Amino acid sequence: AQKVTQAQTEISVVEKEDVTLDCVYETRDTTYYLFWYKQPPSGELVFLIRRNSFDEQNEISGRYSWNFQKSTSSFNFTITASQVVDSAVYFCALLNYGGATNKLIFGTGTLLAVQP
Amino acid sequence: DAGITQSPRHKVTETGTPVTLRCHQTENHRYMYWYRQDPGHGLRLIHYSYGVKDTDKGEVSDGYSVSRSKTEDFLLTLESATSSQTSVYFCAIRTGGTEAFFGQGTRLTVV
Repeated sequence: AQKVTQAQTEISVVEKEDVTLDCVYETRDTTYYLFWYKQPPSGELVFLIRRNSFDEQNEISGRYSWNFQKSTSSFNFTITASQVVDSAVYFCALLNYGGATNKLIFGTGTLLAVQP
Repeated sequence: DAGITQSPRHKVTETGTPVTLRCHQTENHRYMYWYRQDPGHGLRLIHYSYGVKDTDKGEVSDGYSVSRSKTEDFLLTLESATSSQTSVYFCAIRTGGTEAFFGQGTRLTVV
């Protein structure tokens, strides 16, 4: 079975606070990719990061960082010093990369509200 | 810009009528996906395609069919629209780098 769980439905923080968005996944495949996407109020879906199952190195990009832990099947996303422009819905996604089909599924999303 | 276009962008239709949404890509990618987005449910996979005439069901395929007769177009059809199919529909293409890029979405209202 393939599943992505984002248990946090909504998070509200004040600007400059750090915030972590949780993502837990389930898969039986050994080769897979994990993603984070951002959906701002304008509605488009913006790709943020990709991680493959063989690379557990954490990644930092500016104020964004990602922590991938296979032992706990988690791929968490941290925003440091949050800003109002970070307000959006954030989706975690899983791609099983094997065979011909390559199904890509998403979690239910976390709505992040950053208050000024 | 991943060269993906959805049409129409907005549509209002009556219950029981057939509706077809089109996803067009200009970059010859193999994988294409249709999702619906509803409050509290995130993005749910309806159908996807891994090549011309190669399609498979997703999590919420009941009431929907798809066709892909050429690489660039992936059509989603609601055979007989119901109010429960009121939603925002997103098409995505997946590049060789494995990340997916999305169209702008189609807002469908079934009255």
